[in-house]
Amino acid sequence: GQQLNQSPQSMFIQEGEDVSMNCTSSSIFNTWLWYKQDPGEGPVLLIALYKAGELTSNGRLTAQFGITRKDSFLNISASIPSDVGIYFCAGLLETSGSRLTFGEGTQLTVNP
Amino acid sequence: DGGITQSPKYLFRKEGQNVTLSCEQNLNHDAMYWYRQDPGQGLRLIYYSQIVNDFQKGDIAEGYSVSREKKESFPLTVTSAQKNPTAFYLCASTPGGTIYEQYFGPGTRLTVT
Repeated sequence: GQQLNQSPQSMFIQEGEDVSMNCTSSSIFNTWLWYKQDPGEGPVLLIALYKAGELTSNGRLTAQFGITRKDSFLNISASIPSDVGIYFCAGLLETSGSRLTFGEGTQLTVNP
Repeated sequence: DGGITQSPKYLFRKEGQNVTLSCEQNLNHDAMYWYRQDPGQGLRLIYYSQIVNDFQKGDIAEGYSVSREKKESFPLTVTSAQKNPTAFYLCASTPGGTIYEQYFGPGTRLTVT
């Protein structure tokens, strides 16, 4: 299937630092979604993006739908210990109907 | 409260046995999905259903079967033909139409020995 390249694979940061992660592809996406997963739990939707260039915030989280429609990034400002988890991007291809393509995830560790 | 439930949270089975994982939603969502997650990896689509009595194979359907007899229920059977069934299984649903945001259940961890 189609691939989404999510980077970085893991991040180790100090509390209070800002974080940035992104997803890129060679294919065009109509929708980008960002999820957070805590250990042993299901992913929780953080932000949904539907238009190229769209910039959306949810508290300390900000995500953007790339203008080329082939990428998206997620920023977390002033990180706190409860930000720890795995962050996934998911995209909806032009040709995939309702099937999402998931990135492999970014494991975030925040040191107090 | 509206949401997606999966039961049980942990499931243990002997090799060679079929096992059925439950997924129920009371969100009135049209579409439902089953994913498999292995340690340190992303989500891989097993099966999905966009409407009652209809479902399609995902990327890794071999060794699995599903049914969609009711809108709120989408059980997944892991058969003995699945070569490596131990994994974390996630169910999701979405309203359908032009809304693609998928909402996930809490997952079932299946261990087969």
